[in-house]
Amino acid sequence: GQQLNQSPQSMFIQEGEDVSMNCTSSSIFNTWLWYKQEPGEGPVLLIALYKAGELTSNGRLTAQFGITRKDSFLNISASIPSDVGIYFCAGQLSNNNDMRFGAGTRLTVKP
Amino acid sequence: DGGITQSPKYLFRKEGQNVTLSCEQNLNHDAMYWYRQDPGQGLRLIYYSQIVNDFQKGDIAEGYSVSREKKESFPLTVTSAQKNPTAFYLCASSIAGGPTEAFFGQGTRLTVV
Repeated sequence: GQQLNQSPQSMFIQEGEDVSMNCTSSSIFNTWLWYKQEPGEGPVLLIALYKAGELTSNGRLTAQFGITRKDSFLNISASIPSDVGIYFCAGQLSNNNDMRFGAGTRLTVKP
Repeated sequence: DGGITQSPKYLFRKEGQNVTLSCEQNLNHDAMYWYRQDPGQGLRLIYYSQIVNDFQKGDIAEGYSVSREKKESFPLTVTSAQKNPTAFYLCASSIAGGPTEAFFGQGTRLTVV
């Protein structure tokens, strides 16, 4: 299946720092989604992006849909301890609803 | 409240037994998905369905089977042919027919002993 390359694999940061993570693919996606997962739970949708170049914010989170439609990034500003978790990107192909996930970025925030 | 429900949360089975995981949604979504997640790994697509009575294999369908007899329900059977069934299984649903957001259930952790 189509591969999404998500980086970094993990991040250890101090509370208050900004965070940036990204996903790239060799395939073109129509939708990029960013999720957060906490231990033992299902992923929760953070931001959805539908158009190339689109920049969308959700509180301290900002995500962009790359112009080439093959990449996306997520920024978290002024991190807090409750930001801890695994962040996944997901790309949706064409109109067939086939959705693929990156391997995740595990974020640890030190108070 | 609208949502997607997986049950049970934890499931234990003996090796060689088939087991069925439940997924129900009342969001009126047409599309439903099953993913498998191993420790420290991302989500891998097992099966997905865009409409009742139709479903497609994902990347790791071998050893699994699904049915979609009702719009609200998309059960996953882990068969004895699945060589390494212990994992966290996640079900999701979305509106079909184009790019859209998917919403996840809480997951079922299956342990085969």
